Amino acid sequence: KAGVTQTPRYLIKTRGQQVTLSCSPISGHRSVSWYQQTPGQGLQFLFEYFSETQRNKGNFPGRFSGRQFSNSRSEMNVSTLELGDSALYLCASSPSGGLSETQYFGPGTRLLVL
Amino acid sequence: QKEVEQNSGPLSVPEGAIASLNCTYSDRVSQSFFWYRQYSGKSPELIMSIYSNGDKEDGRFTAQLNKASQYVSLLIRDSQPSDSATYLCAVKGSGGSNYKLTFGKGTLLTVNP
Repeated sequence: KAGVTQTPRYLIKTRGQQVTLSCSPISGHRSVSWYQQTPGQGLQFLFEYFSETQRNKGNFPGRFSGRQFSNSRSEMNVSTLELGDSALYLCASSPSGGLSETQYFGPGTRLLVL
Repeated sequence: QKEVEQNSGPLSVPEGAIASLNCTYSDRVSQSFFWYRQYSGKSPELIMSIYSNGDKEDGRFTAQLNKASQYVSLLIRDSQPSDSATYLCAVKGSGGSNYKLTFGKGTLLTVNP
């Protein structure tokens, strides 16, 4: 089975711009979660989607949004980029997001905001 | 109090030694516990998962869970230089959410040849 894929792998943006990141889960996985990883804060949960519905959201401002399509692919959007948004953005998929299910991570998108 | 705390490290052990990585969590209702390994510049990959009290062994890795003490650990026996990475403890089922993983900040392990 192919793993989780994320595009693009690298992005450079300037403050005030917006960005859209894409994630394709493992085939058959319907739960997609997004995380932000920075050296200072570590891995922080952004949101989780299942069957096109957001089930949980982390403590991030409204500039961070996401959506999921009927084929389980997911996108996240960050509007009005700030320098502090520079990070590795990881998505992870699992069959249904159950308590005992392992989340499998994609390679990540490294975003640099100048 | 942070939700998931790990020994800050970095931890350095000689090749062949046992590496011990520790993690505590604050939410008693947490139900699932995971150890991920992350090499520099790469994404996290699962090492072990554990759900009930006691030990769980997989090759050179042993995870230990003590829910009464809110403590989970990972032992790596016969450490190899290829084990050098950041180890992330993650907890699921805390904070009223069944769907998100809450991570510790990680412990950097270096295994010296």
